[in-house]
Amino acid sequence: DAMVIQNPRYQVTQFGKPVTLSCSQTLNHNVMYWYQQKSSQAPKLLFHYYDKDFNNEADTPDNFQSRRPNTSFCFLDIRSPGLGDAAMYLCATSRGLAGVNEQYFGPGTRLTVT
Amino acid sequence: GENVEQHPSTLSVQEGDSAVIKCTYSDSASNYFPWYKQELGKRPQLIIDIRSNVGEKKDQRIAVTLNKTAKHFSLHITETQPEDSAVYFCAASRGANSGGSNYKLTFGKGTLLTVNP
Repeated sequence: DAMVIQNPRYQVTQFGKPVTLSCSQTLNHNVMYWYQQKSSQAPKLLFHYYDKDFNNEADTPDNFQSRRPNTSFCFLDIRSPGLGDAAMYLCATSRGLAGVNEQYFGPGTRLTVT
Repeated sequence: GENVEQHPSTLSVQEGDSAVIKCTYSDSASNYFPWYKQELGKRPQLIIDIRSNVGEKKDQRIAVTLNKTAKHFSLHITETQPEDSAVYFCAASRGANSGGSNYKLTFGKGTLLTVNP
């Protein structure tokens, strides 16, 4: 009964080699989020989709892109990973209706950059 | 934008004692305040939330209070147990009431709670 699924759970990539992280949801939620969480820090929002509308955070580097081909799936693309991009990447969803804000997090993908 | 301050950053208590974590927020339009518990290497999980139309909410050993005038909210855990040990994050959101796509959460920096047996 997994609700927010992330694949892979662990990803190792080389410096500068593009990598894609995947998130899927069975909740049929309107909103999907991508967060970056570094050790001992709070999750930092990178961007989110409300349905097909993409909302980028002002301080998200251009190196990070996202795609949402349908309601269920959302991808995080890192075009040229640097050592500083090693982190846990969390996907989350919410229904997005008035007054309903609870976010459900996936288990995360831990990215290592070598 | 919203700014959420969380204190303390670390908290150590003896099993059975109470623990209190406090957060303040800056955006008076924020109306949704969740608390997440994150165990080491695991996903953040919602443990309790409160909306701005109530001042207190309780769920078994966990309670949250909200003071809208002062713009602060607190998490209270009573009769702490070792399994309560985790990082706790508070967050604030304007929610859908403000229109547009303001569904995002602004997190505090987290509190590492250690419950000693």
